Amino acid sequence: DGGITQSPKYLFRKEGQNVTLSCEQNLNHDAMYWYRQDPGQGLRLIYYSQIVNDFQKGDIAEGYSVSREKKESFPLTVTSAQKNPTAFYLCASSAIGSTNEKLFFGSGTQLSVL
Amino acid sequence: ILNVEQSPQSLHVQEGDSTNFTCSFPSSNFYALHWYRWETAKSPEALFVMTLNGDEKKKGRISATLNTKEGYSYLYIKGSQPEDSATYLCAIIRTGNNRKLIWGLGTSLAVNP
Repeated sequence: DGGITQSPKYLFRKEGQNVTLSCEQNLNHDAMYWYRQDPGQGLRLIYYSQIVNDFQKGDIAEGYSVSREKKESFPLTVTSAQKNPTAFYLCASSAIGSTNEKLFFGSGTQLSVL
Repeated sequence: ILNVEQSPQSLHVQEGDSTNFTCSFPSSNFYALHWYRWETAKSPEALFVMTLNGDEKKKGRISATLNTKEGYSYLYIKGSQPEDSATYLCAIIRTGNNRKLIWGLGTSLAVNP
């Protein structure tokens, strides 16, 4: 089935540790996105990519890093510089990088700090 | 309005009731509006993408309208069913903002059987 796969579903981070969230899509979409959801807030954009080997910072990129070495994959690393990483993380993709194309979402990763 | 605002925040209706909720947004520099449905433990799913003032879209029992001049969109659900229970998210794209989506907080709908 075509879609977006995020893993793991739950992730725990120790102090000072970097962790990587996986996002893979087989929809042949050019654009991919990482969002963060916190209680009482709307989805906030962390990073996005419209083409392989290129990505742009979103509204809350500090403490995060990404790579886009393959069209299908857009992993997100939560670094130790991110002081408040506990949140629900959603990955999404769309057919083109802008305009009116709808987003397709993964099922999310809940990250918690030990 | 500087942000995307959705109302009500939550809603409880009985099965068979029709309901509607609102998404309000800045009317200036409007480019597009998206509606998504997010059921618990599932992924958000796109319902509609709307761009033109006066647009009306329909998908089964769900429909949406768009007024870009006054900055609002309505989502209607006719004859609500328990499977309609979800959070309904609205997001807009403004020109001059790298076409990034700006999200509302959502309306949480619970349909009681």
